[in-house]
Amino acid sequence: KQEVTQIPAALSVPEGENLVLNCSFTDSAIYNLQWFRQDPGKGLTSLLLIQSSQREQTSGRLNASLDKSSGRSTLYIAASQPGDSATYLCAVTLAWGGATNKLIFGTGTLLAVQP
Amino acid sequence: SQTIHQWPATLVQPVGSPLSLECTVEGTSNPNLYWYRQAAGRGLQLLFYSVGIGQISSEVPQNLSASRPQDRQFILSSKKLLLSDSGFYLCAWRLGGLRAPEAFFGQGTRLTVV
Repeated sequence: KQEVTQIPAALSVPEGENLVLNCSFTDSAIYNLQWFRQDPGKGLTSLLLIQSSQREQTSGRLNASLDKSSGRSTLYIAASQPGDSATYLCAVTLAWGGATNKLIFGTGTLLAVQP
Repeated sequence: SQTIHQWPATLVQPVGSPLSLECTVEGTSNPNLYWYRQAAGRGLQLLFYSVGIGQISSEVPQNLSASRPQDRQFILSSKKLLLSDSGFYLCAWRLGGLRAPEAFFGQGTRLTVV
């Protein structure tokens, strides 16, 4: 059974710091890994999708890496801003799930960027 | 471009009452559709998924059911709500196929059963 873990569960940093969020998964047979952001009481916003054949993806101040063999992904946020405060979730899609393409989620990291 | 709509945004229902949450997707055809629940302090749990009209798969036994009467419409229902059905319900879609494209989520429905 695929298990997805995110560390730390919560993180508080001052504005301007660079930070790293971690995601690990137990089954390396994945199609891809997707990072989401969730603001309080809101739905999920897709940030980055990394296919299993890729090692990293970048979007603005965000950079996500994937090491499938070790079951790890990191989300790097450069020059953090108070507007980055949210819960960050990673999710994997299992390669053996067939056409269903179900997402398996981690429990998230709650990020607070202090002004 | 594709968009996903979920309604209502919030709902307060008494125990034993029926439930109907609706999700529609625009701008695509034959998407995979999913219902997730996010309980307080817990991760997202997959409840149902559908790969086509009338095709529903349940991930966990529960008091809820799902239906897909049209290609881009996904409905979550219950005949009699329980207190434990309270939570944040999220609908999601992605294109099917073996390479699992990006998934997109709606804004969610906050359900409180009283």
